[in-house]
Amino acid sequence: KAGVTQTPRYLIKTRGQQVTLSCSPISGHRSVSWYQQTPGQGLQFLFEYFSETQRNKGNFPGRFSGRQFSNSRSEMNVSTLELGDSALYLCASSEDLTNTGELFFGEGSRLTVL
Amino acid sequence: QQQVKQSPQSLIVQKGGISIINCAYENTAFDYFPWYQQFPGKGPALLIAIRPDVSEKKEGRFTISFNKSAKQFSLHIMDSQPGDSATYFCAAMYRGSRLTFGEGTQLTVNP
Repeated sequence: KAGVTQTPRYLIKTRGQQVTLSCSPISGHRSVSWYQQTPGQGLQFLFEYFSETQRNKGNFPGRFSGRQFSNSRSEMNVSTLELGDSALYLCASSEDLTNTGELFFGEGSRLTVL
Repeated sequence: QQQVKQSPQSLIVQKGGISIINCAYENTAFDYFPWYQQFPGKGPALLIAIRPDVSEKKEGRFTISFNKSAKQFSLHIMDSQPGDSATYFCAAMYRGSRLTFGEGTQLTVNP
């Protein structure tokens, strides 16, 4: 079974631009979560989607948004990029968090904002 | 109340030794406590997890000890190997909502 796939793996943007990151979950998994990882703040929860609905949202500004498609694939978008948005963005999938709690992470998309 | 405190920040052990990483939490509603292992350039990988109705869980060389009254849990790595060198994160979850991670421990196992 293929793991969680994230694209692109690396990208460089400049302040003020926007970025879209993509995540394909493990086949059969309907829950997709997004986390931001930085050296200073560690791993922080962004949001979680299940069956195309956002079930949970972390404490991030509205510039961070996401969506999930009917095939469970998910995208997250960051608008008006700031230097502090430079981070590793991790997607994780699960059959259903409320049942198992097991999350399987992808390798992440490393965003650098210049 | 949502924080998970992890220590130590870094740990160096000799091959064959025991590595011990500790975590403490405040929110008694947490009901799932996983440990993740992360290698450079990779995403975190689930190592082992425990629910608060048991005090210990062992999988191979990895053991979680859980103390509900003290609101603490720890990861023990027996017979530590150089290949175990990685960053380890404890985490806690409430009703499958979101993972709250500890700060991470960078483990180095010297040959």
